[in-house]
Amino acid sequence: GAVVSQHPSRVICKSGTSVKIECRSLDFQATTMFWYRQFPKQSLMLMATSNEGSKATYEQGVEKDKFLINHASLTLSTLTVTSAHPEDSSFYICSARGGKSYNEQFFGPGTRLTVL
Amino acid sequence: GQSLEQPSEVTAVEGAIVQINCTYQTSGFYGLSWYQQHDGGAPTFLSYNALDGLEETGRFSSFLSRSDSYGYLLLQELQMKDSASYFCAVRGGYQKVTFGTGTKLQVIP
Repeated sequence: GAVVSQHPSRVICKSGTSVKIECRSLDFQATTMFWYRQFPKQSLMLMATSNEGSKATYEQGVEKDKFLINHASLTLSTLTVTSAHPEDSSFYICSARGGKSYNEQFFGPGTRLTVL
Repeated sequence: GQSLEQPSEVTAVEGAIVQINCTYQTSGFYGLSWYQQHDGGAPTFLSYNALDGLEETGRFSSFLSRSDSYGYLLLQELQMKDSASYFCAVRGGYQKVTFGTGTKLQVIP
């Protein structure tokens, strides 16, 4: 099956710093990538959808200037949390769609962000 | 907008069958997916229904009724490792996927 990686898996940072999370599709070309955040014992909340080479589409309530998404190639998307605050602490998960299984999203292992 | 409802928790006995229901309201509908997520892990894809009816994949089956805006995931021959959270997700317009609230399944001996 298709594999999606995320890096880093865990990150702890000080309030006010910026954190970049990478999402890579390892064995297929991802025409669309999605970024989710998940708080403990809650569902996945879609933050934004990005297509390679175009601007991301953000969900209502998600600040595009705070959560910068770049989908520079068919195998890489990055999420940068700028000026992170403790309330940004969460589990961030990317997923990718492409290749032969258009109806299926392949999820990365997630990144746990803790902002002190 | 889109909203999906699932039971929050279900408990079932090892070896038994369990059904997890999902009802949805959506402005656009292309299909219903099911995902499994173990604590601390990422979701893994289980099934996708675009048309009415039952899809079977091993011990797992998924059903969709578009006229009733309803679907369910059926897990047979439950195993302890099936203890996890299960999410239904609707694929709507503009490639958007909205996840349900999740059902925590506990399998007991």
